[in-house]
Amino acid sequence: ETGVTQSPTHLIKTRGQQVTLRCSSQSGHNTVSWYQQALGQGPQFIFQYYREEENGRGNFPPRFSGLQFPNYSSELNVNALELDDSALYLCASSQDANTEAFFGQGTRLTVV
Amino acid sequence: AQSVTQLGSHVSVSEGALVLLRCNYSSSVPPYLFWYVQYPNQGLQLLLKYTSAATLVKGINGFEAEFKKSETSFHLTKPSAHMSDAAEYFCAVSDNFGNEKLTFGTGTRLTIIP
Repeated sequence: ETGVTQSPTHLIKTRGQQVTLRCSSQSGHNTVSWYQQALGQGPQFIFQYYREEENGRGNFPPRFSGLQFPNYSSELNVNALELDDSALYLCASSQDANTEAFFGQGTRLTVV
Repeated sequence: AQSVTQLGSHVSVSEGALVLLRCNYSSSVPPYLFWYVQYPNQGLQLLLKYTSAATLVKGINGFEAEFKKSETSFHLTKPSAHMSDAAEYFCAVSDNFGNEKLTFGTGTRLTIIP
């Protein structure tokens, strides 16, 4: 167990709705990265937050947004959900931007 | 842009046999390479990483990988497969010393035959 916790574990939403996923980073970690893992695929980098600031973004549209709080926990928000957003969303935290990242168990989002 | 290619989406080996999972990379800068394992309904766990200190990298659970620049490869091996090794394995690359902002391959599902 890594100490990175994500909530909820499973979620079903309707196309067009908005969703917020949460990640509690491991104690002492100030960096959080989010990944999307579609079924049968490898994870894809969405974005990273370092000390509450966005520190890099992958090839995802603006309707994917994030936030990091002073306690370094993080949220991933997705607006105007599409069917293709159905995936496992993984959060990873690290002690710093250049150290090993530890992954949570993920949130499985299903869009119907 | 960096990328990794994993050859073989499914690999089956007998218990006790050699495990070989293939990964080739493409990078315009010296790469940092990683292998992760994912068990069903779990997140990713780091097996090992190459950061240019040594070409043969030893990881957890008896796994190791060798960085071969001439072949642009970073294949994962284990001398003797165990039933508990059944999982999905991902190769990943980063241009940074840390392993954030990773680019993953599509994964290889390893099945162990009793």
